[in-house]
Amino acid sequence: EDKVVQSPLSLVVHEGDTVTLNCSYEVTNFRSLLWYKQEKKAPTFLFMLTSSGIEKKSGRLSSILDKKELFSILNITATQTGDSAVYLCAVNVHNAGNMLTFGGGTRLMVKP
Amino acid sequence: NAGVMQNPRHLVRRRGQEARLRCSPMKGHSHVYWYRQLPEEGLKFMVYLQKENIIDESGMPKERFSAEFPKEGPSILRIQQVVRGDSAAYFCASSPDALTEQFFGPGTRLTVL
Repeated sequence: EDKVVQSPLSLVVHEGDTVTLNCSYEVTNFRSLLWYKQEKKAPTFLFMLTSSGIEKKSGRLSSILDKKELFSILNITATQTGDSAVYLCAVNVHNAGNMLTFGGGTRLMVKP
Repeated sequence: NAGVMQNPRHLVRRRGQEARLRCSPMKGHSHVYWYRQLPEEGLKFMVYLQKENIIDESGMPKERFSAEFPKEGPSILRIQQVVRGDSAAYFCASSPDALTEQFFGPGTRLTVL
C-alpha cells in the first residue's frame, strides 16, 4: 500500500524563523510529489516535483525532491504569521487513475 | 478564470437523508477528483472522473456513495441514507489532464445529525 509520512506533525515558530518540513514516501511507480498549503478551506497548490535535485522556488518557499532516498523537503524562510497553515504533501503514481495519496500534514503556527 | 467551485459550502442532513454535493471544475479542466477529509485526518481519495466516465472509484465506499460527471453540468457526489460517520469535508479537485497538478475547491462540510 502506498504511504506518505510527514514530519513534524506540528511546529511552532516565531516570525522571521526558517522552517523545514519533511515528507517521505513509499510508493510503487512514482510519478510526482506535490505540496499544498491548507488554511481553513481549500488546499492551495504550491509545488509539483518530478525530478531529483532540482529546487523549485516561489518567493520565500522552496522545495526539493530526492528520488533515491524517497523524500522531499519544503523550506520557508523569514516566516510570517500568514504562513500559519497545514502543509500537505501528496504523491501521484502511474496507474489507471490519477489519485493523490496524501500525508497527514504538518501544522505550522507562526507567532508574532 | 474562476477556480474550482463547490456547493453547497455547508450541508446539514439528518440520518437517513440523501446528500448531493456539486463540483464545477476550472474552465478547460475535464478531469475531476473527489476527496474526503474526516475530522483530524488527512485527505483521502474517493473517485476520479472524466466527462461521462468513472476512471477510478477505488476509494469510494461500495454502498450508498455514487458519483457522476455528466456531459453537461457539474460533477455530483451523492450519498444516500447518510450516517453520522459521513460527517466530513468533501473536496473536489480538477486538472486539465492526468499529468498536471490538481486544483482544489473550497469544499463542502457535511454534518449529519
